[in-house]
Formats: sequence, C-alpha cells, structure tokens
Amino acid sequence: EVQLVNSGGGLVEPGGSLRLSCAASGFTLSDTWMTWVRQAPGKGLEWVGRIRKKSDGGTTEYAAPVKGRFTISGDDSNNILYLQMNSLKTEDTGVYYCTESLINWGQGTLVTVAS
Amino acid sequence: EIVLTQSPGTLSLSPGERATLSCRASQSVTSSALAWYQQNPGQAPRLLIYGASRRPDVIPDRFSGSGSGTDFTLTISRLEPEDFAMYYCQQYGTSPWTFGQGTKVELK
Repeated sequence: EVQLVNSGGGLVEPGGSLRLSCAASGFTLSDTWMTWVRQAPGKGLEWVGRIRKKSDGGTTEYAAPVKGRFTISGDDSNNILYLQMNSLKTEDTGVYYCTESLINWGQGTLVTVAS
Repeated sequence: EIVLTQSPGTLSLSPGERATLSCRASQSVTSSALAWYQQNPGQAPRLLIYGASRRPDVIPDRFSGSGSGTDFTLTISRLEPEDFAMYYCQQYGTSPWTFGQGTKVELK
C-alpha cells in the first residue's frame, strides 16, 4: 500500500529556514515524479515544485514565488523526499503536501512564518 | 503561466441533483493534462479525474470529466451527502502547473 507521511512543519521567524520531509512507503521515490503543493489558510491549492523520476533525469522545477529559496531533493536510501525552505516569508505560511503522481497525498504539515 | 478560472464560485444543490462545474484555461492545456480534485476541510485533496476524463478505479462512476483545449467540465451525476465539498481543477501539461481557485458545492 502506498503511503506518504509529511513532517517537519512548525513556527519559524521570517528569514528563517525549515526542512520538510515526506516519508514514502509502498513504492520507490526515485521511480516516480514527486510534487509539493501548499495551501495558505482559507485559500486554494498552489503548486510549489516537482522532481522528476531518476530515469527522466531527476531534475527539479519550481513555482516563481519559491524559486531560488526552496529546494526539492530525495534520500534514496531512506525513501524520503525533502523540501528545504530558506529565506522564509510570511506568505509561505500554509499546509504543505507531498504527492506521488497526483494520486497519493501526504496528510500535510503546517508551516507558520511569523515573528 | 496558464490561468485556470473555475465557475461558479459556489454551487448550491440538493442530494440527488446533478452538479456541473466548469474550468476554463487561459490557453490550451497540453495533451488534455487536466485533473480534478475534491477537498474536504482539514483533509488532503483527493484525485477524481486525470487526463481530462479518466477516473481512478477507486472513484465512483457518478464523477465524470470532459473537455479539451481550454474548456473542461466536471459532472457529478447524482449528488451524495459526502460530495458536498470544495473542488479544484489543475493543469499539469505546462510548467508551472497551476490550479483553479475552486468551486464550493454546498447543501441547498
């Protein structure tokens, strides 16, 4: 059974950093495309970025608001996907989800950027 | 970037009625790479339709998708109590992937 478990969220001050995790089971992360999506409180869904499967080069793409600040990477040995978030802004506040092929989703983890 | 506009913003209907949700793209969606999601408060989105009209096996057949190019539709043939929720469309054919702003299906 495919399962994704999000963790790593919390309260951080503007300008700070946070690393989110997405632990996968039931499949191999590097064999599929993985995506991060976020949702600000009371708002709609926003695509954050994705990492292609290894056979497609394992390259990444990011949405404009996070490009240069966020980095998606994978730990193949532990089957964990990461979202490294630097230079955080208040508008980065929200629930962050990882998703595998848009079908399977993590439960989300809340990031709050505030002073 | 492709902007997706969903209409109406809110749909007020009764159980058993038919729901028709629209998603219009600012430019043609590549290879009909259009998905629909259902989301309940506090929960992760649930994929209902991908490839504009394909339904995962676990999704009931009262949900159907249609359309191509710039105009897409999600139809719920007969609303069940658990269908009252938020619905989003998303295009994943052109980077950056984008979502519509959502349609709320509420109990009349």
